[in-house]
Amino acid sequence: DQQVKQNSPSLSVQEGRISILNCDYTNSMFDYFLWYKKYPAEGPTFLISISSIKDKNEDGRFTVFLNKSAKHLSLHIVPSQPGDSAVYFCAARTLIQGAQKLVFGQGTRLTINP
Amino acid sequence: DAGITQSPRHKVTETGTPVTLRCHQTENHRYMYWYRQDPGHGLRLIHYSYGVKDTDKGEVSDGYSVSRSKTEDFLLTLESATSSQTSVYFCAISELVGYTFGSGTRLTVV
Repeated sequence: DQQVKQNSPSLSVQEGRISILNCDYTNSMFDYFLWYKKYPAEGPTFLISISSIKDKNEDGRFTVFLNKSAKHLSLHIVPSQPGDSAVYFCAARTLIQGAQKLVFGQGTRLTINP
Repeated sequence: DAGITQSPRHKVTETGTPVTLRCHQTENHRYMYWYRQDPGHGLRLIHYSYGVKDTDKGEVSDGYSVSRSKTEDFLLTLESATSSQTSVYFCAISELVGYTFGSGTRLTVV
């Protein structure tokens, strides 16, 4: 069963507008949620995270919102720039005997149009 | 740069042959991970290590084995490669929250 889901495989946004990427999860035991960005032929790179005890975290143009009652998180990018075009993965963390285990969503391909 | 490298970057191999992928890190991280990325599945955990000679299975471990004889090296072996193991493989090291990933190995099994 998919514990972390990104239901939109792709999203197209005009440059300068807001991009909103969504993610749903099922396991209430996750203690952190993360977003990674991936360009072709590169490894995923960390973008932003949020603790399960928070409802918002902001870093420059990127803001992550967490709605625990709905088991939903979203990443807002504003304003969107051409360099933001990439695949975005949300991930949820559990700690097992000190090891972080991340469960990833399927990814959303974001395209920023000029 | 977290100092994590994967080799090879690309490999084509035949069905039934063994294949070993290497992950090397230079920062003495204790925890290391192997994931595979496939369309429609995101990244899925294959195996992870919590120290030298200490490893455990992830969600898609069938057909894979790992070894960690030194802190800096974490090897992933496909014992007898199958076409379903065609994928992009990523190694990762643990940070305070989340991971740093390597650049990946694209493996094609023909």
